[in-house]
Amino acid sequence: DAKTTQPPSMDCAEGRAANLPCNHSTISGNEYVYWYRQIHSQGPQYIIHGLKNNETNEMASLIITEDRKSSTLILPHATLRDTAVYYCIVRVDIKAAGNKLTFGGGTRVLVKP
Amino acid sequence: SAVISQKPSRDICQRGTSLTIQCQVDSQVTMMFWYRQQPGQSLTLIATANQGSEATYESGFVIDKFPISRPNLTFSTLTVSNMSPEDSSIYLCSVDLIRVGGPEAFFGQGTRLTVV
Repeated sequence: DAKTTQPPSMDCAEGRAANLPCNHSTISGNEYVYWYRQIHSQGPQYIIHGLKNNETNEMASLIITEDRKSSTLILPHATLRDTAVYYCIVRVDIKAAGNKLTFGGGTRVLVKP
Repeated sequence: SAVISQKPSRDICQRGTSLTIQCQVDSQVTMMFWYRQQPGQSLTLIATANQGSEATYESGFVIDKFPISRPNLTFSTLTVSNMSPEDSSIYLCSVDLIRVGGPEAFFGQGTRLTVV
């Protein structure tokens, strides 16, 4: 079973920040939080990941609570092209590639003009 | 990054037939993963394909229904056998690459299968 819980859907206004929550209350000390998104008719795309510190890249910011039981993905200025399903995933063994991913239901984000 | 090519991108097949999906990666990888995404659903892992050994199947998926080949480190095939309308899904292959800061999963564009 998926180890994360996300709201099934949310709307966001174009140009505004989109804050996507994720609950991972059973996360282990060696598990990272990863975010992917899937735009319609495409394969999932990596966005960002983190362990316990907040992370930022050119796509988004990731805020992880101090107890690591939840996190928030922030899209700072949502555009219509950010409309997608966003998946929050926890995975172990950061040094070893090949760890299978368990996808939950994700959050369907609709960015409106 | 990894470039993953899947063929075919889509197909419409008759029930009872089989379809083989190809996945080509532009770099050598130890493991390749095959996922299924049923209409309106999330991704579910079918199996992990290792080069030189039999694939490892997840609960609910069996080799007779979804035989997998992995002849080298850049290529894999998934066959959907004896298809029924319930097999209508998007099938995706995926690989992990080690990046600075940890592994990153890359996905093909998927194969959209419709069984009639």
